[in-house]
Amino acid sequence: GQQLNQSPQSMFIQEGEDVSMNCTSSSIFNTWLWYKQDPGEGPVLLIALYKAGELTSNGRLTAQFGITRKDSFLNISASIPSDVGIYFCAGEYNQGGKLIFGQGTELSVKP
Amino acid sequence: NAGVTQTPKFQVLKTGQSMTLQCAQDMNHEYMSWYRQDPGMGLRLIHYSVGAGITDQGEVPNGYNVSRSTTEDFPLRLLSAAPSQTSVYFCASRMGQGIGYTFGSGTRLTVV
Repeated sequence: GQQLNQSPQSMFIQEGEDVSMNCTSSSIFNTWLWYKQDPGEGPVLLIALYKAGELTSNGRLTAQFGITRKDSFLNISASIPSDVGIYFCAGEYNQGGKLIFGQGTELSVKP
Repeated sequence: NAGVTQTPKFQVLKTGQSMTLQCAQDMNHEYMSWYRQDPGMGLRLIHYSVGAGITDQGEVPNGYNVSRSTTEDFPLRLLSAAPSQTSVYFCASRMGQGIGYTFGSGTRLTVV
């Protein structure tokens, strides 16, 4: 079954607020990825993390690879209405190419 | 460059019918995967492949078969559809390990 726990499951925020979501795992991952999915479409890659402790930004988005290699978080600063969607974390094991996804965080932004 | 192409976009099946969901990519990617997406469950890995002729099971492989005879194509077969297989199916491809997947736009399957 699922080995990634993503929280929160949903968030309702006001435009301009900052957002934080995270993923934890019982397994160690070599790579953490963060995706966003718009309604009716496939997920799109936002940020990729490759080293424990790594902090990477993509515009208003910042993500970190946890020191234990078992967790990651994503922050969105100064949210805007187009940030609405479902955000997924994904982790990859050391070998075999298997990429596992979290349950997703559904973000709603009130203008 | 079309990316990852999935067909059909929508399908309704009767219980017990079989069908194949098609997936093709034109990016010469070695890795391909199939995921299913259900409300509140995220994306669950069905089967994946790290190259032509190589496939392996993911988290939820029961009821599904795959084969990878070429680099470009990775079809997903439902041998005997069940209502529990009602879901949105996504195919994805990537160049190699550690690189993010490019996803197709999905196939919405309903089994009645």
